[in-house]
Amino acid sequence: DGGITQSPKYLFRKEGQNVTLSCEQNLNHDAMYWYRQDPGQGLRLIYYSQIVNDFQKGDIAEGYSVSREKKESFPLTVTSAQKNPTAFYLCASSIASGTAYNEQFFGPGTRLTVL
Amino acid sequence: AQSVTQPDIHITVSEGASLELRCNYSYGATPYLFWYVQSPGQGLQLLLKYFSGDTLVQGIKGFEAEFKRSQSSFNLRKPSVHWSDAAEYFCAVDRSNFGNEKLTFGTGTRLTIIP
Repeated sequence: DGGITQSPKYLFRKEGQNVTLSCEQNLNHDAMYWYRQDPGQGLRLIYYSQIVNDFQKGDIAEGYSVSREKKESFPLTVTSAQKNPTAFYLCASSIASGTAYNEQFFGPGTRLTVL
Repeated sequence: AQSVTQPDIHITVSEGASLELRCNYSYGATPYLFWYVQSPGQGLQLLLKYFSGDTLVQGIKGFEAEFKRSQSSFNLRKPSVHWSDAAEYFCAVDRSNFGNEKLTFGTGTRLTIIP
């Protein structure tokens, strides 16, 4: 089955540690996205990538980093510079035709808790 | 700046009753509007979208939404809700128009269904 995999589902880390969240898709989509979800705030865009080896900052990129070395993978690193990293993180992907809207498909999410 | 407002944080309806979830947007150009649904601890699923044309759009699971430019609204409706509709619902606007990389989400409305 095609889809988006995020691992792990739950992640606990100590304050001050960097942590990397995995996102893999086998939909052959060009574009991938990372969102952060906090209670009462909806989803906010952290980073997005429309092509391998290229990515752009979203609305709340500070304290996060990403890489896009392979089309199917878009890992997100939450660094120690992120002041409030505890949240639910969602990865999404879509076809990036550039000429028409294409639906974003979402993964199941990773809940990160910093102790 | 573009924004999406969902004025109702939580709505409770009886099974079989009709439903309307409100969404208002602030956007300068012709908006591309979406409704997503999220079950607890899961990713988001697209219910329906509006780009242009007929202002009443049909989606999956029996949902529909009506775009009203004069009111800057895109309310989601369902004539008769089922217990399985209990979830959180997000309205979103695409700021990029065909760029597909900048969805702005509302803060969500949590729907509870009572027997």
